[in-house]
Amino acid sequence: DAGVIQSPRHEVTEMGQEVTLRCKPISGHDYLFWYRQTMMRGLELLIYFNNNVPIDDSGMPEDRFSAKMPNASFSTLKIQPSEPRDSAVYFCASSQLAGIQETQYFGPGTRLLVL
Amino acid sequence: AQKITQTQPGMFVQEKEAVTLDCTYDTSDPSYGLFWYKQPSSGEMIFLIYQGSYDQQNATEGRYSLNFQKARKSANLVISASQLGDSAMYFCAMRGGNAGNMLTFGGGTRLMVKP
Repeated sequence: DAGVIQSPRHEVTEMGQEVTLRCKPISGHDYLFWYRQTMMRGLELLIYFNNNVPIDDSGMPEDRFSAKMPNASFSTLKIQPSEPRDSAVYFCASSQLAGIQETQYFGPGTRLLVL
Repeated sequence: AQKITQTQPGMFVQEKEAVTLDCTYDTSDPSYGLFWYKQPSSGEMIFLIYQGSYDQQNATEGRYSLNFQKARKSANLVISASQLGDSAMYFCAMRGGNAGNMLTFGGGTRLMVKP
């Protein structure tokens, strides 16, 4: 069974450009999470969805960030306009259920560099 | 609020020896789950092992075991018979019952296995 799929794996863009990151969760998983990893802040949760509905977006840094999940097999994280401080690795993860014992499985990440 | 602390930013271990990576946590939730992930230099996050707060026995998965001391609020990862491929960043994470689906990560420990 395929794991979480993310695209692109690497993205280099210039400040002010729009960036769209894509994620396909594991089939049958009802929860989808977007994380950002930086040296300064470590791994931080940005937003998560349950059955395509955003549940908690308190980690989204500002209005430049938006996330959607139009269906159970696809989600996007968009940054518009992008800034150099957005440079980070962005991970998508999914889990089947809620509950403390549920493991989140991570995608390979998208390494974003904003120049 | 949940907090995870990994006090060892970096560690060396000789190949074939065992190593313990420390993790302490703080939560007011009576029910919680503890996870360890491995992040090799390629960047992906790989789930290693899970321990539930009510589990009576320490979790084990192959060469990985979790030394869970609930009273001390510690969940140390033990890797037996270290291999060169174990060189990576290791993250401890927690999910508490009252924190919904939020997975809180520690700052990580970089393990380097010497031949």
